Amino acid sequence: DVVMTQSPLSLPVTLGQPASISCRSSQSLVHSDGNTYLNWFQQRPGQSPRRLIYKVSNRDSGVPDRFSGSGSGTDFTLKISRVEAEDVGVYYCMQGTHWPLTFGGGTKVEIK
Amino acid sequence: QVQLVESGGGVVQPGRSLRLSCAASGFTFSSYGMHWVRQAPGKGLEWVAVISYDGSNKYYADSVKGRFTISRDNSKNTLYLQMNSLRAEDTAVYYCAKGGGVWGQGTTVTVSS
Repeated sequence: DVVMTQSPLSLPVTLGQPASISCRSSQSLVHSDGNTYLNWFQQRPGQSPRRLIYKVSNRDSGVPDRFSGSGSGTDFTLKISRVEAEDVGVYYCMQGTHWPLTFGGGTKVEIK
Repeated sequence: QVQLVESGGGVVQPGRSLRLSCAASGFTFSSYGMHWVRQAPGKGLEWVAVISYDGSNKYYADSVKGRFTISRDNSKNTLYLQMNSLRAEDTAVYYCAKGGGVWGQGTTVTVSS
């Protein structure tokens, strides 16, 4: 199975400051169709997960543009340009290239 | 708007069975692959199973293979997860998801004697 490793585990940030989460896969996520199926999810406290980013860098509808995704191959990053209070929660990366689909362990974003 | 509503969770003894349902609305259900994902108490997300838009292809996590069966009824816009031989480690909130982009609110399954 593809192992997804996120860092850091916990990320205390100051409101208005940027934040960055890393996600590394144990093998390349480039699919034979040429796409890279790497998604990012946000789970606010007490809520269901919500997808923010699909195929590395595509924002889902309604996702603020302060969220951006980048990366290639085995190294990926989620960036929040200016953290707001509503961004508190746990963020997960997930690969959809190889079966079984696998999630990273999560990064908890909290306000300092 | 797009909505997914899970049901069927509850408390069940180890070794018993349970069937979860996910009622879909607001989109053409028969055009999308659907997933089940679970989250054990205080833990991260674990993908469980996926079914293609027409039910012809199914994949499972190793942890549930041979015990769980994913299915769908496109005439009823409903996704199912039949869970047999349940174990304590299957205790979790179970979410259905439309191609990963939209998730339901989840239904809780507790396996305990």
